[in-house]
Amino acid sequence: GAVVSQHPSWVICKSGTSVKIECRSLDFQATTMFWYRQFPKQSLMLMATSNEGSKATYEQGVEKDKFLINHASLTLSTLTVTSAHPEDSSFYICSAKSMEGGADTQYFGPGTRLTVL
Amino acid sequence: DAKTTQPTSMDCAEGRAANLPCNHSTISGNEYVYWYRQIHSQGPQYIIHGLKNNETNEMASLIITEDRKSSTLILPHATLRDTAVYYCIVRYNTGTASKLTFGTGTRLQVTL
Repeated sequence: GAVVSQHPSWVICKSGTSVKIECRSLDFQATTMFWYRQFPKQSLMLMATSNEGSKATYEQGVEKDKFLINHASLTLSTLTVTSAHPEDSSFYICSAKSMEGGADTQYFGPGTRLTVL
Repeated sequence: DAKTTQPTSMDCAEGRAANLPCNHSTISGNEYVYWYRQIHSQGPQYIIHGLKNNETNEMASLIITEDRKSSTLILPHATLRDTAVYYCIVRYNTGTASKLTFGTGTRLQVTL
């Protein structure tokens, strides 16, 4: 149980285009999902927290107009990188919070590697 | 969330127990200790978590000191596939605002 998927697993796009990444909790409902970004040889950095049916909460320094987050259902959150530039190239990882068994645990997706040319 | 301190790297021979320490001296009474690992180019994998009692599951054991200021993750019989970066994180376990903040972790290298 507690499986989180992401799609696509990798994407290459041209500078100036927008890219959408999907995150799904496959066998549980997640009222809260998180988006992280990881640059090479660095740790994960939290970008934003999204709650189903409400606006996402962004961490300091993360542009909310550039990284659009939608959490329309209890099993799906999307991250759209708008007008992508080479400096947005990174490993994007989503996480979903499961409340199964009374425990509050975050499970992570496999990540999406974005390369902007 | 309380900060944690972990060694930058550790080596372990395959088949031996890997003991990964973590210091969290400023942990508060309601904060849990979580362990995750990240194998290269993959998303983090949940391993185990605990509040004050020692915990064991099919992957590992978590030993938390009585004063809760430190803990040790134990992989009883390390294999090459356990080579990864291991993250020790403390956080509150309730509320929608609770979130995992990753430090630099311990890079565990399991060798033949």
